[in-house]
Amino acid sequence: GQNIDQPTEMTATEGAIVQINCTYQTSGFNGLFWYQQHAGEAPTFLSYNVLDGLEEKGRFSSFLSRSKGYSYLLLKELQMKDSASYLCAVRDESTLTFGKGTMLLVSP
Amino acid sequence: GAGVSQSPRYKVAKRGQDVALRCDPISGHVSLFWYQQALGQGPEFLTYFQNEAQLDKSGLPSDRFFAERPEGSVSTLKIQRTQQEDSAVYLCASSLNRGYNEQFFGPGTRLTVL
Repeated sequence: GQNIDQPTEMTATEGAIVQINCTYQTSGFNGLFWYQQHAGEAPTFLSYNVLDGLEEKGRFSSFLSRSKGYSYLLLKELQMKDSASYLCAVRDESTLTFGKGTMLLVSP
Repeated sequence: GAGVSQSPRYKVAKRGQDVALRCDPISGHVSLFWYQQALGQGPEFLTYFQNEAQLDKSGLPSDRFFAERPEGSVSTLKIQRTQQEDSAVYLCASSLNRGYNEQFFGPGTRLTVL
């Protein structure tokens, strides 16, 4: 089975940096994904890690340590529009198992 | 060039009623997934198709749930004799092929069972 943990809520200030952690215990591993989901909308893809290390894409970076079962999503220069739920998901053969999501609230 | 579309966007059903939810994946996408998302939770996997073959239906919560993709494109998720606990957003996603990294999600169908 798969068990994925991430904090329920986080708050941060506009312009700041925030790190959202995700730990997982899975029977299989074929990559870790981060998705962003605004209220009432579809999840949208942010990043994918399958090897250890940091993947940087603009203001967003994602890190993976397979030996520790740990990932984080780093958001820099926060903007109000970054207020959303951030979903960590692990893929086994072909299906994704999602965590419950971390609701990030960015305040002025 | 449209993304994944789903219909209806909202559905209200009386308990015991049957419902059918439709998903139009991105053209040419081989893999199609259905998820159920309860309020404040992450999406939970229901079932997976590769072309018309249903390769995994381990996430379907009961035999009241049935999914099909007869021609390998459009898919329908059917829920028979709906119950209040079926109230959720049903998300459909597609990806280019089984090994492809990114799943593209549709906007979902919000089902409310009264």
